[in-house]
Amino acid sequence: NAGVTQTPKFRVLKTGQSMTLLCAQDMNHEYMYWYRQDPGMGLRLIHYSVGEGTTAKGEVPDGYNVSRLKKQNFLLGLESAAPSQTSVYFCASSTQGYNEQFFGPGTRLTVL
Amino acid sequence: RKEVEQDPGPFNVPEGATVAFNCTYSNSASQSFFWYRQDCRKEPKLLMSVYSSGNEDGRFTAQLNRASQYISLLIRDSKLSDSATYLCVVTLYNNNDMRFGAGTRLTVKP
Repeated sequence: NAGVTQTPKFRVLKTGQSMTLLCAQDMNHEYMYWYRQDPGMGLRLIHYSVGEGTTAKGEVPDGYNVSRLKKQNFLLGLESAAPSQTSVYFCASSTQGYNEQFFGPGTRLTVL
Repeated sequence: RKEVEQDPGPFNVPEGATVAFNCTYSNSASQSFFWYRQDCRKEPKLLMSVYSSGNEDGRFTAQLNRASQYISLLIRDSKLSDSATYLCVVTLYNNNDMRFGAGTRLTVKP
């Protein structure tokens, strides 16, 4: 099993460009999450999903959109990237909200 | 005030030392508690869950104090391989929203 994978691993964008980050899990987990990690801030929840076709806002959702069309995939979109969105993005999945979360390796995004 | 606050660190300790980290949380309705470990430039991984009665896993002991709203992690007989950042994690009342502390960095030296 690959666990949780993320695509791409690195990306550099110019302000105003758009992109989609892909997260895939092969553990048949219901719950999936997108976080960003910034120095001194810890991980902050952007959006999450409790099952296929559902999404919900987390702590810092502004500037991001998500979709969960298939159970195994959770997409994070940036419609118009801003330098403040420079960060490391982690995807995670779990069987239930109170269970262990399994993280992907992260995507390092720089917005110039 | 941050929802989850941890000791600022960094902690630099010699091999074999005992080290303790504390973490406080602000939401009294928090339901579940965890310690995660994150190595440099890697993803976080679960170290251990924290139960109301306290729990131990080898050299690691976790405690929860609901009345004072803090959790702790004790590492005995530190190893070089324990060097990492330790993240305190709390789930809110709906159990769908995990809040992470900023982490405490530990370096174990020979």
